[in-house]
Amino acid sequence: GDSVTQTEGLVTVTEGLPVKLNCTYQTTYLTIAFFWYVQYLNEAPQVLLKSSTDNKRTEHQGFHATLHKSSSSFHLQKSSAQLSDSALYYCALSKGANTGKLTFGHGTILRVHP
Amino acid sequence: EAAVTQSPRNKVAVTGGKVTLSCNQTNNHNNMYWYRQDTGHGLRLIHYSYGAGSTEKGDIPDGYKASRPSQENFSLILELATPSQTSVYFCASGAQNTLYFGAGTRLSVL
Repeated sequence: GDSVTQTEGLVTVTEGLPVKLNCTYQTTYLTIAFFWYVQYLNEAPQVLLKSSTDNKRTEHQGFHATLHKSSSSFHLQKSSAQLSDSALYYCALSKGANTGKLTFGHGTILRVHP
Repeated sequence: EAAVTQSPRNKVAVTGGKVTLSCNQTNNHNNMYWYRQDTGHGLRLIHYSYGAGSTEKGDIPDGYKASRPSQENFSLILELATPSQTSVYFCASGAQNTLYFGAGTRLSVL
């Protein structure tokens, strides 16, 4: 079946330094889209990034990710982490085109400290 | 403002009791979803719907039923609640594969 793997449960980074959250996947679907969702404390998850085109970089709110089908990855990166980026981040794979049926990874908590 | 609203926000239930979680959306989306969130498991899909009158099983449907009586409303039903169903439940509506989540319902089954 489909799976999304986020290898780190917790990532801690100093404010102003770069950060990378890893995401790899396995799927049998040919048409796929990938997402990063962010969940701030006591809030609902919300979409941060979406990508569906191989090797195309997607950016939003200073974060960026590139889908690499060759390595089955969709890592999330930011060049300079901010305190307000502290949150729970989910990588997610959509099962086919526009079904909205997402397979989520287990999530990575990002903690940015001064 | 378009939104997904869940009720109740918190619920304590007894083992063997019936629990109904409600969700209302004003996004006018055809698709709606129920997920549960557990530490170490992330978000897992329980049931979903492509429109009024339709419900489909997600990845972990056992012990849950769903009802979609209208475009706006989507309910999750636990006929016989068990402690293993203690979790945070999120409803979402969706378009173009992007999901819009409600604030969640924290359910404790004692």
